[in-house]
Amino acid sequence: DAGVIQSPRHEVTEMGQEVTLRCKPISGHNSLFWYRQTMMRGLELLIYFNNNVPIDDSGMPEDRFSAKMPNASFSTLKIQPSEPRDSAVYFCASSSGTQGPPQHFGDGTRLSIL
Amino acid sequence: DQQVKQNSPSLSVQEGRISILNCDYTNSMFDYFLWYKKYPAEGPTFLISISSIKDKNEDGRFTVFLNKSAKHLSLHIVPSQPGDSAVYFCAAPSPRSQGNLIFGKGTKLSVKP
Repeated sequence: DAGVIQSPRHEVTEMGQEVTLRCKPISGHNSLFWYRQTMMRGLELLIYFNNNVPIDDSGMPEDRFSAKMPNASFSTLKIQPSEPRDSAVYFCASSSGTQGPPQHFGDGTRLSIL
Repeated sequence: DQQVKQNSPSLSVQEGRISILNCDYTNSMFDYFLWYKKYPAEGPTFLISISSIKDKNEDGRFTVFLNKSAKHLSLHIVPSQPGDSAVYFCAAPSPRSQGNLIFGKGTKLSVKP
């Protein structure tokens, strides 16, 4: 069974560059979540899609961040322009419903902005 | 405002002994709670959950206890094994956004052989 697949696993780039993180959810799951993990704030939700539609993007830090889900099997999180304070581990998770089923996480993308 | 709190950033336990990980919450309307386990360089994985209508749920070496009056839950691991060394997150469903989870900041458990 393929789990949630994220790419790249690591990204190192210079400040000001555009960064695109990718996620393939588990087949059949209709909810997809993007999280960011930092030492200071722990795991925080950035945005949540249900049936490819963004439901809650209140966690997106600012306009530099955008997320899309063009179809049920793919999502992107884009940062443009990137800043050093965006350095964190970004996780994608998916679940098969809005209530009850636990979220399944990918292994994350470790992003470093120099 | 943290609705789910894990006040101990770390815990060290001897192999074979009991590990007790604690979590406090502020919202009495949470329907259920979950525990996730995270190894380095991996994503969190679901471990065990408990409905708010229960006070205990057991799965092998893992038991979660819920004390609603104290707004407190705990995860017990007995006996602890070195492979249990990981970061453990407590989580609850967001009342504001269905499907979303609110996570505590995690407790790093180290089980020493």
